[in-house]
Amino acid sequence: GAVVSQHPSWVICKSGTSVKIECRSLDFQATTMFWYRQFPKQSLMLMATSNEGSKATYEQGVEKDKFLINHASLTLSTLTVTSAHPEDSSFYICSASEGINEKLFFGSGTQLSVL
Amino acid sequence: AQSVTQLGSHVSVSEGALVLLRCNYSSSVPPYLFWYVQYPNQGLQLLLKYTSAATLVKGINGFEAEFKKSETSFHLTKPSAHMSDAAEYFCAVSGGGFKTIFGAGTRLFVKA
Repeated sequence: GAVVSQHPSWVICKSGTSVKIECRSLDFQATTMFWYRQFPKQSLMLMATSNEGSKATYEQGVEKDKFLINHASLTLSTLTVTSAHPEDSSFYICSASEGINEKLFFGSGTQLSVL
Repeated sequence: AQSVTQLGSHVSVSEGALVLLRCNYSSSVPPYLFWYVQYPNQGLQLLLKYTSAATLVKGINGFEAEFKKSETSFHLTKPSAHMSDAAEYFCAVSGGGFKTIFGAGTRLFVKA
């Protein structure tokens, strides 16, 4: 089946630095990718919807300048957490689909810890 | 470590019939269990979650799920299907920490 690769799976960084997370669709063209974050014991929260070649659509309350999303190709979307702070520590996961009514596939997630 | 298995990649029911979507999990620690729904071209929405309180969990849109530890199951049900329930449903398990594991998803079809 289709595979979505997310990298890195785990990252520790210092406060004030930026971290980039990649989400790749390995054997299909992902016209749409979604980015989520999750805090321990809570459900996923949709951060943004990313369509190839256009600006991401952010959910209310998500800072666009803080969480930069780039979907430059049909197989790659990136999430950059800029000037990370300890409160940004979370589990980030991406998902991708080929299009409307197509199956959704998940990356394995990235655990971010900001010291 | 956690894992989750959804039985049946596709389920088809008639409008008004019972909906049953199956989910079995494994977890080395007390699990947090979730059901999410995805409508076409939208992100996931949380239907319901189990967090070690009542074993029968009621969610939105008339869905509910029962946590059965002895069967390691968390099946999703709805007494009467509606056309608007047609979507993809994902079961997920977390150990209470950061990482969440998703099932492969079950596509629900509702026939008129």
